[in-house]
Amino acid sequence: RKEVEQDPGPFNVPEGATVAFNCTYSNSASQSFFWYRQDCRKEPKLLMSVYSSGNEDGRFTAQLNRASQYISLLIRDSKLSDSATYLCVVNSGGGADGLTFGKGTHLIIQP
Amino acid sequence: EADIYQTPRYLVIGTGKKITLECSQTMGHDKMYWYQQDPGMELHLIHYSYGVNSTEKGDLSSESTVSRIRTEHFPLTLESARPSHTSQYLCASSVGLFYTFGSGTRLTVV
Repeated sequence: RKEVEQDPGPFNVPEGATVAFNCTYSNSASQSFFWYRQDCRKEPKLLMSVYSSGNEDGRFTAQLNRASQYISLLIRDSKLSDSATYLCVVNSGGGADGLTFGKGTHLIIQP
Repeated sequence: EADIYQTPRYLVIGTGKKITLECSQTMGHDKMYWYQQDPGMELHLIHYSYGVNSTEKGDLSSESTVSRIRTEHFPLTLESARPSHTSQYLCASSVGLFYTFGSGTRLTVV
């Protein structure tokens, strides 16, 4: 089983809709969780951290479910500019800081 | 405005050539990293450094080598490029677990 799993999509969503996707992780000892955004042929950029109590930043809400070992990202009132790949990142141990990146979920917002 | 710089942005090179991918950051971060990412795939850590004269291999085996002689500079070298090295190479630095990535070098070995 992969350490971090995401549905690769693509998710095709009309502009203005609400979209949510999950990411599951295998290491129950993981302590830190993040969502990164990566535009086509660009570098990943930190979108938001995921705290145990949940985290909201404008139209974006991230939540953590430790019992089921998944994190979620919800985007409300989606904009065309939200089209990107969203990477789930988990601190799972291993080399360096032990960050493991998921393959990402590809989101396409359609006009 | 980028605080971490990678050059070149794109590189097409012949098999057997020696190449060095440059990465510099102006944030004074001690921790720096090199990741490899193929299209549609996840990032894989190939090298990291916790400071000057510190280098470690990452989770993904790589034939490349790195050096860290100055805090701000973390170059990656391939002594003899092969087509299997074709990929995108992303450099990053961090404070805590908050990473900043460079814009990457897209390497094609022909």
